[in-house]
Amino acid sequence: DAGVTQSPTHLIKTRGQQVTLRCSPKSGHDTVSWYQQALGQGPQFIFQYYEEEERQRGNFPDRFSGHQFPNYSSELNVNALLLGDSALYLCASSLGPSVHTGELFFGEGSRLTVL
Amino acid sequence: GDSVTQMEGPVTLSEEAFLTINCTYTATGYPSLFWYVQYPGEGLQLLLKATKADDKGSNKGFEATYRKETTSFHLEKGSVQVSDSAVYFCALREGNMLTFGGGTRLMVKP
Repeated sequence: DAGVTQSPTHLIKTRGQQVTLRCSPKSGHDTVSWYQQALGQGPQFIFQYYEEEERQRGNFPDRFSGHQFPNYSSELNVNALLLGDSALYLCASSLGPSVHTGELFFGEGSRLTVL
Repeated sequence: GDSVTQMEGPVTLSEEAFLTINCTYTATGYPSLFWYVQYPGEGLQLLLKATKADDKGSNKGFEATYRKETTSFHLEKGSVQVSDSAVYFCALREGNMLTFGGGTRLMVKP
């Protein structure tokens, strides 16, 4: 049973460029959430996708956008990259969007470095 | 907004020592509380959880009790092992999102 898979694992971009990160949820899961984890800090919620729609969004600018496909996989896009966007981007999947007691399964993350 | 505060690390202990990592939270409602662990080179893993006041979550020898009166969810383990070395995150969940603390790095020396 495959867990949450993310790609690429590492990438380097320059300021002003755009990046796309990809996530495949755990088998059987239909909801994907994205988190940003800056070095030495806890993850911060970016947004969640369910039924191909953005369901909830954290305090991130519109430069951060996403998409969910019919097979439940998801992409995170970041435009006009800033140095401060350098971080580990984590994808988490779950069954349903509003499960108070349910477990989120996290991928290993995509480490983005912006130069 | 909701927030989680953890004790800063790193916490360095000898094998078989007692572990406490403090966690307090601020929330408007009654959130579910979690401890996640991040081992080197791996993704976040759920360690334990509690969904209502006075619930005790436990797993792999770790325990934490949901204390509404003190808004706390401290993580404890009676005897740590070298393999417990990792970063531990306290988190609360309301609705669709998790709010994490800053993480506490634990280093256990043999």
